[in-house]
Formats: sequence, structure tokens, C-alpha cells
Amino acid sequence: DAMVIQNPRYQVTQFGKPVTLSCSQTLNHNVMYWYQQKSSQAPKLLFHYYDKDFNNEADTPDNFQSRRPNTSFCFLDIRSPGLGDAAMYLCATSRATLAFIQYFGAGTRLSVL
Amino acid sequence: SQQGEEDPQALSIQEGENATMNCSYKTSINNLQWYRQNSGRGLVHLILIRSNEREKHSGRLRVTLDTSKKSSSLLITASRAADTASYFCATDGETSGSRLTFGEGTQLTVNP
Repeated sequence: DAMVIQNPRYQVTQFGKPVTLSCSQTLNHNVMYWYQQKSSQAPKLLFHYYDKDFNNEADTPDNFQSRRPNTSFCFLDIRSPGLGDAAMYLCATSRATLAFIQYFGAGTRLSVL
Repeated sequence: SQQGEEDPQALSIQEGENATMNCSYKTSINNLQWYRQNSGRGLVHLILIRSNEREKHSGRLRVTLDTSKKSSSLLITASRAADTASYFCATDGETSGSRLTFGEGTQLTVNP
């Protein structure tokens, strides 16, 4: 009965080869977030969708893109992964009426070879 | 930039002892939340305290908030080995909208 599901849990890609990570939710939350987390660090917000409105963080590289085709699904596209993009990627959801408490998926661990 | 700072960065205690973690932030907030993250997993929400609250309890957790000092503490009483995890505070403020700003986290190790 997982509420925020990320696939795959582990992803291995090659340097420069595009990769897509996916996130789905059964909570019907209107906000979805993507975070990058490197070892022993805080999660770093890449961008988020508030309903259909896309909100990019100022320091998110252009290499990272996102799509939200409907309420339930959100994708993170890394167009040309570099070695520095190896990290845990976390998807989260929230809604304004719940004080934006965030519900996280288990994450996708991305390795870049 | 990250608003929250936590200390200590790492804490190691024995089972049964209490664990206290502190969080400081820089700007006015609406709410402060604490999350837990087990190794290699996503974060799990533990507790939320509003800016007009000073203390909140949930089971073995006690959170305090001092808005004059822009700081919060998380106390875990009677710790268990299963409490071993990283703990993050997160704040949302008047200008952050739907964003949370996470602290750097405290790695708690509870030894059996």
C-alpha cells in the first residue's frame, strides 16, 4: 500500500546517456517534488509542480528536466548524465491543506558509469 | 541555500538513553517539521510544530520551538536500536510557498 512509488529503485546509466526516473502517487496530492540527495547531505530541491505549474529552482542545471502528464505521475529526465549526477533522487508529494507535509518515495539510486 | 543547520552532525548513544537534536534557522517560519530517514530510504514525516506553538509531543518524541532564537529541538526518549537514522528539520516560511528548506541533518546511532 505504498503511497509514493519510485521506479526503478536502482538505475545504472552511462555517462551522457539520457535517463528517466519515474514517480507515481496514490494520495491525490497536488504538489510533487524532485530532490537530489548525495551521501550524508540534506535533500536538495531540484523543482516541483504545484498542480500543473512548474517551479524550477534557480540553481538546478538545465540538464535536469521534469514532466507531469497528470496528477499521479511525475518524471525526472536527465538529458546527459555526468559523474556528478550520481546520487539518490527522491520524489515527494504534498498538499496545501496539510501544511505541505511531504510524503516521500523510497528513492532511486542513480549510478553513472 | 539551506536555511537550517542542525547539531550535532552525529550522535551515538546507548539504547534506553535520550537523544536530543537541535535545529536552527534564519528567517521567519510558518511551520517547522522533523523528518527521519533510514539509510538508503526516503524521508518519513515525524512531527510538525506551528510557529505559534512552543512544544509538541508524539509518542516518544518531544519537539520544542523557540521562535525568538530561531531554533528547535527534537528529543527522542528511551531510544531503541531501531531509532538509528538521520533526522532532518525542515521549515517553510512566508516566502517559500510550497517549498521546504531542509537542515543538514543529524545522524543518530543507537547502540544495543
